[in-house]
Amino acid sequence: EDQVTQSPEALRLQEGESSSLNCSYTVSGLRGLFWYRQDPGKGPEFLFTLYSAGEEKEKERLKATLTKKESFLHITAPKPEDSATYLCAVRYISNFGNEKLTFGTGTRLTIIP
Amino acid sequence: DAMVIQNPRYQVTQFGKPVTLSCSQTLNHNVMYWYQQKSSQAPKLLFHYYDKDFNNEADTPDNFQSRRPNTSFCFLDIRSPGLGDAAMYLCATRPDRGDEQFFGPGTRLTVL
Repeated sequence: EDQVTQSPEALRLQEGESSSLNCSYTVSGLRGLFWYRQDPGKGPEFLFTLYSAGEEKEKERLKATLTKKESFLHITAPKPEDSATYLCAVRYISNFGNEKLTFGTGTRLTIIP
Repeated sequence: DAMVIQNPRYQVTQFGKPVTLSCSQTLNHNVMYWYQQKSSQAPKLLFHYYDKDFNNEADTPDNFQSRRPNTSFCFLDIRSPGLGDAAMYLCATRPDRGDEQFFGPGTRLTVL
């Protein structure tokens, strides 16, 4: 079964304490992996797209990496304003030959001042 | 600023009373999506339009319908809302040749 799993479900860090969020997937025919940030009561905000294993993207304190089975979102020296839910989504070709986009349930990140 | 707008931001309806949520975009994107997101869950795709071509997800209940009268506007109609339909409804757009989806702020639907 095609699946996208994010871990941990929730993560609390002290300000400045670096860590990584994980997104693992079991789909075949990957067409792209996306990272979004979602603040409470708002729509997801696009962060990165990764297309192939070995690819990396960076933006401020965030860095996304991709392997054949998973992606990591590394957060370096986070600040309280980085607190949000981080969603991973995978675009792939299903067993029926149609293109699908499946989201993970997200990691709720809290940065404590 | 080019953007995706959803109205209303909050909608309260009664059990069984039809409700319509709206989405408009100034990005001129061909592709528009409707997602349902329940608390602490992943957004779940209900349907999408590629231009005027409507694509329904296999597990989207018949209770949910959609209309796209033109490129800029898209509507989600819930014919007979049940308590289980209470959720955040997200609209998103994507350009023809891009992968990134641009989301609106969402409409939070409460069913009494």
